[in-house]
Amino acid sequence: GEEVAQTPKHLVRGEGQKAKLYCAPIKGHSYVFWYQQVLKNEFKFLISFQNENVFDETGMPKERFSAKCLPNSPCSLEIQATKLEDSAVYFCASSLRGTAEAFFGQGTRLTVV
Amino acid sequence: ILNVEQSPQSLHVQEGDSTNFTCSFPSSNFYALHWYRWETAKSPEALFVMTLNGDEKKKGRISATLNTKEGYSYLYIKGSQPEDSATYLCASFSGNTPLVFGKGTRLSVIA
Repeated sequence: GEEVAQTPKHLVRGEGQKAKLYCAPIKGHSYVFWYQQVLKNEFKFLISFQNENVFDETGMPKERFSAKCLPNSPCSLEIQATKLEDSAVYFCASSLRGTAEAFFGQGTRLTVV
Repeated sequence: ILNVEQSPQSLHVQEGDSTNFTCSFPSSNFYALHWYRWETAKSPEALFVMTLNGDEKKKGRISATLNTKEGYSYLYIKGSQPEDSATYLCASFSGNTPLVFGKGTRLSVIA
């Protein structure tokens, strides 16, 4: 596709439930990035992929968070046993290469209640 | 993860004023510096991607410079307009690390 597509737009989960977010990068883009935006103006890096390989996951909380980018499938970010502090907007971005501009999806707003 | 710093955090200027803000980043193993414009309720959109020391890029009234040796970039807006009000984010991509964003500078242009 010509744009980064994130689904769903909104997700509400009870504390302790699982949340799964999806991101379809622009076709042909090798890099996928996930960011968590809790406070306004702050994009916290979570994880990046180069094709289906994890490029860097130093931002991922060690427990409960996992992500995949498999061939011919949207990338996914999964949070097991959600907590209230996981409430945030999760942005996905893709780029052709690291030195090229990143294109962002519209974000998924996760609310944990 | 490398540290990208932006200053100031927020800025209020009058319509017609020119303004600039700073992004600093670690200069070792540098690949690229990105600037994005982010309006509330929208996704960030790329303004510039710069890779070479001394790079200068321009888009309309907005321009940016890059110093990779000392690790900073400036974004300039000439003759600010209310529609320039947004958060301006910079992000650094180095050899072994992902695209890491600063916390942004929120610009408000008062008519």
